[in-house]
Amino acid sequence: GAGVSQSPRYKVAKRGQDVALRCDPISGHVSLFWYQQALGQGPEFLTYFQNEAQLDKSGLPSDRFFAERPEGSVSTLKIQRTQQEDSAVYLCASGKPGGMAYNSPLHFGNGTRLTVT
Amino acid sequence: AQKITQTQPGMFVQEKEAVTLDCTYDTSDPSYGLFWYKQPSSGEMIFLIYQGSYDQQNATEGRYSLNFQKARKSANLVISASQLGDSAMYFCAIQSNFGNEKLTFGTGTRLTIIP
Repeated sequence: GAGVSQSPRYKVAKRGQDVALRCDPISGHVSLFWYQQALGQGPEFLTYFQNEAQLDKSGLPSDRFFAERPEGSVSTLKIQRTQQEDSAVYLCASGKPGGMAYNSPLHFGNGTRLTVT
Repeated sequence: AQKITQTQPGMFVQEKEAVTLDCTYDTSDPSYGLFWYKQPSSGEMIFLIYQGSYDQQNATEGRYSLNFQKARKSANLVISASQLGDSAMYFCAIQSNFGNEKLTFGTGTRLTIIP
């Protein structure tokens, strides 16, 4: 596709439910990032993949958060037993084709807005 | 660790005027990049401009320019001849050229252009 695609666009979950958020990066992009953006705040780093390898998960707020990218393209962010504080926009970004994204902008999807009631 | 500080939560500017959005940063890395993104109310993050830490000249992209003052660790965004469509959140971000390619963002500035 032309850009980073995320689905669903909106997700409402009841507290305690599990959710799965999907990211389809730009074809050929090696690097993939997940960010969490609370209302009125800047995006906060969650986790980072190079191809299928998850190289940094230091930003995941708890062990209820889990991300995978099994074939080095599509990625899924899973949140188990959702809590109200998980309500945020989850942004996915991918880097430049074929290599590292140093000195190169990340390309963001439109995000998934998660509301936990 | 890297940090971005944006001290202007909101700004109001008359259409066609120039506006400067402030950004200061903190990093111990010798080589890094600075980015500005625009986020309209629709939510997408739009890349505007990039400045490398070793670039001698300030970056420019159309109506956007970056006032880079390395010694002061500042990377202010200047928008010339503002337009109504410039109303949005603006985020400054830093990326180290070592290790993880992640961007570290500031808290943003909400810019409103007044007709």
